[in-house]
Amino acid sequence: DSGVTQTPKHLITATGQRVTLRCSPRSGDLSVYWYQQSLDQGLQFLIQYYNGEERAKGNILERFSAQQFPDLHSELNLSSLELGDSALYFCASSANPGQIIYEQYFGPGTRLTVT
Amino acid sequence: DAKTTQPNSMESNEEEPVHLPCNHSTISGTDYIHWYRQLPSQGPEYVIHGLTSNVNNRMASLAIAEDRKSSTLILHRATLRDAAVYYCILNNNAGNMLTFGGGTRLMVKP
Repeated sequence: DSGVTQTPKHLITATGQRVTLRCSPRSGDLSVYWYQQSLDQGLQFLIQYYNGEERAKGNILERFSAQQFPDLHSELNLSSLELGDSALYFCASSANPGQIIYEQYFGPGTRLTVT
Repeated sequence: DAKTTQPNSMESNEEEPVHLPCNHSTISGTDYIHWYRQLPSQGPEYVIHGLTSNVNNRMASLAIAEDRKSSTLILHRATLRDAAVYYCILNNNAGNMLTFGGGTRLMVKP
């Protein structure tokens, strides 16, 4: 158990809809990362938040957005869903005070199926 | 980002050592070498990381070549639970996001 929790575990929705994925980081971790894992693209970094502020952006579509709340939990919002958005979405957390490399701890993922 | 090259798959027998290679010929001086693994139906899991010197922890050892252009993850006694995809990743101080490649799928035979 990594200490990172993600809800829901599974999500099935229709094209055009909007969903919200939730992540609670390990206790004390200030950084949250979102990754997408699909069969054709592998594991891809989407976005990072550090203590409530956006820190880095990867291959995140404009239809997707995220935020980190004062209690450090994070939400990834996916809108106007397309079939190609079907994937596993992982959240990870790390201490990351800025200048030192810290390992990331990954949650169990949310499996999104768009029909 | 500097790239890494790993074999697509490797096989090992249970209770034998496993050496998983990774080539990173364009590594820069500030790149750390990280290894993560992903067990079936789970999120990736941190294994080990290093910069220049060899590193050991309870999970594995990391041997880094003197010129840092390659590294090897060593599992001292493979168990069935070690069957996973192993990712070798370069990461520097500029950002902490991880760039995953294809990884090596390790199969462990009883």
